[in-house]
Amino acid sequence: GNSVTQMEGPVTLSEEAFLTINCTYTATGYPSLFWYVQYPGEGLQLLLKATKADDKGSNKGFEATYRKETTSFHLEKGSVQVSDSAVYFCALSDRGSGNTPLVFGKGTRLSVIA
Amino acid sequence: NAGVMQNPRHLVRRRGQEARLRCSPMKGHSHVYWYRQLPEEGLKFMVYLQKENIIDESGMPKERFSAEFPKEGPSILRIQQVVRGDSAAYFCASSPSTDNNSPLHFGNGTRLTVT
Repeated sequence: GNSVTQMEGPVTLSEEAFLTINCTYTATGYPSLFWYVQYPGEGLQLLLKATKADDKGSNKGFEATYRKETTSFHLEKGSVQVSDSAVYFCALSDRGSGNTPLVFGKGTRLSVIA
Repeated sequence: NAGVMQNPRHLVRRRGQEARLRCSPMKGHSHVYWYRQLPEEGLKFMVYLQKENIIDESGMPKERFSAEFPKEGPSILRIQQVVRGDSAAYFCASSPSTDNNSPLHFGNGTRLTVT
């Protein structure tokens, strides 16, 4: 079945540091890949997505590239801010083929300190 | 355009009571999904509904849990005879279709505490 594995946290970085959160996936079809962010006490918000191989999703300085050869979708940001502190979830969807929607990784908690 | 609305935000129930969680999808969205988040874990899919139909309930526990999405009104997730292990955050999400290009929009969740 479909699954997502992301690096365990927590990740603690100083402001302006470079961020990488690794995500790899297993899928039977041709999934779309997503990163969602959850701020304290809130629901998940879509951060970025990529729908096919070699696509790059980007938003708010975050980027992730859909790598089919390595089945990866690592999240990166060149310079993090305190306001980026949150939990980040990698997810895949194969809804186009009728499979169960949005399978999530366990989440990675990021803390950015000033 | 209001987002996905869930209520209540917090719900406290004693063991054996019933919990009813409500979700109003975004306007124009006919697909509703329920997820459960246990502390320090990711979201686990529970059930997927369209208006008046359950499409996929493969993540729902076989007993005590049920869900509906009536023609009029919000989607309801109902947990009968709650136990302490049901304590979690329950998130509802909606989308206008099953197209991979239409991502899910999440509500802020209902945090259920069973005492």
